Amino acid sequence: DTGVSQNPRHKITKRGQNVTFRCDPISEHNRLYWYRQTLGQGPEFLTYFQNEAQLEKSRLLSDRFSAERPKGSFSTLEIQRTEQGDSAMYLCASPQESSGNTIYFGEGSWLTVV
Amino acid sequence: QKEVEQNSGPLSVPEGAIASLNCTYSDRGSQSFFWYRQYSGKSPELIMFIYSNGDKEDGRFTAQLNKASQYVSLLIRDSQPSDSATYLCALYTSGTYKYIFGTGTRLKVLA
Repeated sequence: DTGVSQNPRHKITKRGQNVTFRCDPISEHNRLYWYRQTLGQGPEFLTYFQNEAQLEKSRLLSDRFSAERPKGSFSTLEIQRTEQGDSAMYLCASPQESSGNTIYFGEGSWLTVV
Repeated sequence: QKEVEQNSGPLSVPEGAIASLNCTYSDRGSQSFFWYRQYSGKSPELIMFIYSNGDKEDGRFTAQLNKASQYVSLLIRDSQPSDSATYLCALYTSGTYKYIFGTGTRLKVLA
């Protein structure tokens, strides 16, 4: 158990619907990352937060994607008007600066768009 | 050139053998390097990290870093069938606060 919690673990949705994923990171860690991973690929960076500030967004994150981290605690990733190409595992991660900035992942949230 | 390159495999080794997994990277400013193991359908789990040139050992695992050659490797001694998974190489650059992952090498340990 890495201490990073994600839910829901699995989501099946129809194309065009909105979905929201939640991440509860290791409580004392200021930075929080979202990644997306598709079959046969490594995790791809989407965005990261330093406390409540979203400091960088990947160009992979289209206008349909939005992420928030109110009060620098949990974070949400919302996908609007889902498309089949959004089907992937969405990973939240929290780094531990005392361990060489090692990044620890949650269990991931699987999205299937049908 | 990809920022982190790994051979996708599969790499097949017999049980008890040494598995050698390799990774090259392009950003000389990278400071920390990580190896993760990922079982099918699961999220990546950390094996070890390394940030100094040379070898770092943890149990059956040894990470090797050569910054001059921009090369990092993972050796798994006495490979077990339970080691069969995809191994992801990742790097961190403090200037960008970003973690970049390779596509992973699939390892099969044959009983």
